[in-house]
Amino acid sequence: KQEVTQIPAALSVPEGENLVLNCSFTDSAIYNLQWFRQDPGKGLTSLLLIQSSQREQTSGRLNASLDKSSGRSTLYIAASQPGDSATYLCAVREAAGNKLTFGGGTRVLVKP
Amino acid sequence: NAGVTQTPKFRILKIGQSMTLQCAQDMNHNYMYWYRQDPGMGLKLIYYSVGAGITDKGEVPNGYNVSRSTTEDFPLRLELAAPSQTSVYFCASRWVTDTEAFFGQGTRLTVV
Repeated sequence: KQEVTQIPAALSVPEGENLVLNCSFTDSAIYNLQWFRQDPGKGLTSLLLIQSSQREQTSGRLNASLDKSSGRSTLYIAASQPGDSATYLCAVREAAGNKLTFGGGTRVLVKP
Repeated sequence: NAGVTQTPKFRILKIGQSMTLQCAQDMNHNYMYWYRQDPGMGLKLIYYSVGAGITDKGEVPNGYNVSRSTTEDFPLRLELAAPSQTSVYFCASRWVTDTEAFFGQGTRLTVV
């Protein structure tokens, strides 16, 4: 059974510092991995989708890497801003089946 | 473009009551999902569907039922509400397996 873990569960950084968020998964047979942002009381907003054949994806200040063999993905957010404060979740889509399995999320606070 | 629309946004149920959470998407997506998110936790899959007329159980299906009579709609039914079903429910959809998933804004359900 696929298990997805995000450590740490919470992170606090001063504004301007780079953020590094980790996601690990136990079964490397994945189809793709997606990073989401969730603001308090809101739904999930898709940030980046990485296919299993890709090593990284970039969008603005966001960069996500994927190392399938070691079961890891990292989301980098450059020059963090208070508006980046949110919970970040990763989810893997397994190669066999159609399910998305989520990690528990990392709650980020960027202090002005 | 409405995306994924969930109704209602909030609901309080008494133990033993029943209700249907509505989910509709206007993107002609084949795949639809229902998740629940408990406080401070990640998302757990309740049911999913790969197309009209096809549904399958996820991780935590007990106490819930779904149907998929059209591509657009994927309602989730609670027959006998229990306090353990107090949660935030999210509906999601995707077009095909290697595309990103889009989420609704969620339904916050309290069973008292």
